[in-house]
Amino acid sequence: GESVGLHLPTLSVQEGDNSIINCAYSNSASDYFIWYKQESGKGPQFIIDIRSNMDKRQGQRVTVLLNKTVKHLSLQIAATQPGDSAVYFCAEAAKFSGGYNKLIFGAGTRLAVHP
Amino acid sequence: KAGVTQTPRYLIKTRGQQVTLSCSPISGHRSVSWYQQTPGQGLQFLFEYFSETQRNKGNFPGRFSGRQFSNSRSEMNVSTLELGDSALYLCASSLAGSRGEKLFFGSGTQLSVL
Repeated sequence: GESVGLHLPTLSVQEGDNSIINCAYSNSASDYFIWYKQESGKGPQFIIDIRSNMDKRQGQRVTVLLNKTVKHLSLQIAATQPGDSAVYFCAEAAKFSGGYNKLIFGAGTRLAVHP
Repeated sequence: KAGVTQTPRYLIKTRGQQVTLSCSPISGHRSVSWYQQTPGQGLQFLFEYFSETQRNKGNFPGRFSGRQFSNSRSEMNVSTLELGDSALYLCASSLAGSRGEKLFFGSGTQLSVL
């Protein structure tokens, strides 16, 4: 919604540059991580996911890196475009939730792409 | 294939009233989750339903409740509304709600409590 993310950290990049968005997660027992993109007035949209048995996964123009030692997740966007401007959330699947998709979301980072 | 549909898109209520929000999942998806999104608390899990049964619940008071119908459509209800209930309420669906399944979100219902 329009009121979401008023006080989020903002990453400003030039069009064509690479973007790196970072996320620290809290639960060392989490074993599944997802990045979502949320544009104004829309719900979160799945970008890419990674399981804890991997440390890197690549998609189209995006790469997710997982460092379990320091509980850190990052999303790299190559050749950032104006359409990438949005709020980005990392989320972890809480292992204690059993088999069900109870996600714990990070606070989010606003990505602003300038022409 | 239609996405997750939430109605209404916007809602204005006053304190003490109750509200019902509706969610139609993607065809074939049997798991429906609800999340509350606010600027202060971010996205927080409310509950998850599968085959008309609530399987998981977040840390919200009993004023927040939900249900799922046999066609997988879901509703959530908030009774005795408080100012702090103003938020974007998001519904998400997945095939079976298993960990590791992709969640598909609707555009949400923006609730304002006056």
